[in-house]
Amino acid sequence: EAGVTQFPSHSVIEKGQTVTLRCDPISGHDNLYWYRRVMGKEIKFLLHFVKESKQDESGMPNNRFLAERTGGTYSTLKVQPAELEDSGVYFCASSQDLGGIFQTFGSGTRLTVV
Amino acid sequence: EDQVTQSPEALRLQEGESSSLNCSYTVSGLRGLFWYRQDPGKGPEFLFTLYSAGEEKEKERLKATLTKKESFLHITAPKPEDSATYLCAVQAGSGGSYIPTFGRGTSLIVHP
Repeated sequence: EAGVTQFPSHSVIEKGQTVTLRCDPISGHDNLYWYRRVMGKEIKFLLHFVKESKQDESGMPNNRFLAERTGGTYSTLKVQPAELEDSGVYFCASSQDLGGIFQTFGSGTRLTVV
Repeated sequence: EDQVTQSPEALRLQEGESSSLNCSYTVSGLRGLFWYRQDPGKGPEFLFTLYSAGEEKEKERLKATLTKKESFLHITAPKPEDSATYLCAVQAGSGGSYIPTFGRGTSLIVHP
């Protein structure tokens, strides 16, 4: 079984530019989560999709962040325009159970905004 | 607000030297407490879920325990391959919101 795939693995962009992160969940997992870890801080929840619908987006920092999940398959997280404080590692996870007890994480995308 | 505090931040052990990692939490209506292992450049890898005080789970050299205020991850006779960051997270179950709250982790290095 293929795991959760994220790309790119690393991205370095200038302040003000746009970046799109992609996550391919495990096939058949309706639940998809985005998280972010800022250096020196804990992993924080961003949002939760159930199929193509946003179940909970309470963790999204502001309206510069836009997440989509087309057709309930892969998901993208766009940051536009990027700011310095957006730097960090963005993780995606997927699960079969709605409660998210058993989440499988991807390896993350390390975003650096300069 | 749910809070998770892990200690110590970093731990160095000699191979075979047993120890414990701590995860203290405050949460309203605990649904589950999770332990993850994270290797450099990788995402968290699920280890255990504990649901109620008194519960224990084991996997190889690892044993997780849970009380009403904290969880311990006991590492017995560790090996260098146990070196990793260990993350604790809690999930509250009331109101249908299942957002996990993570601690900052304990970085474990086991020297041969």
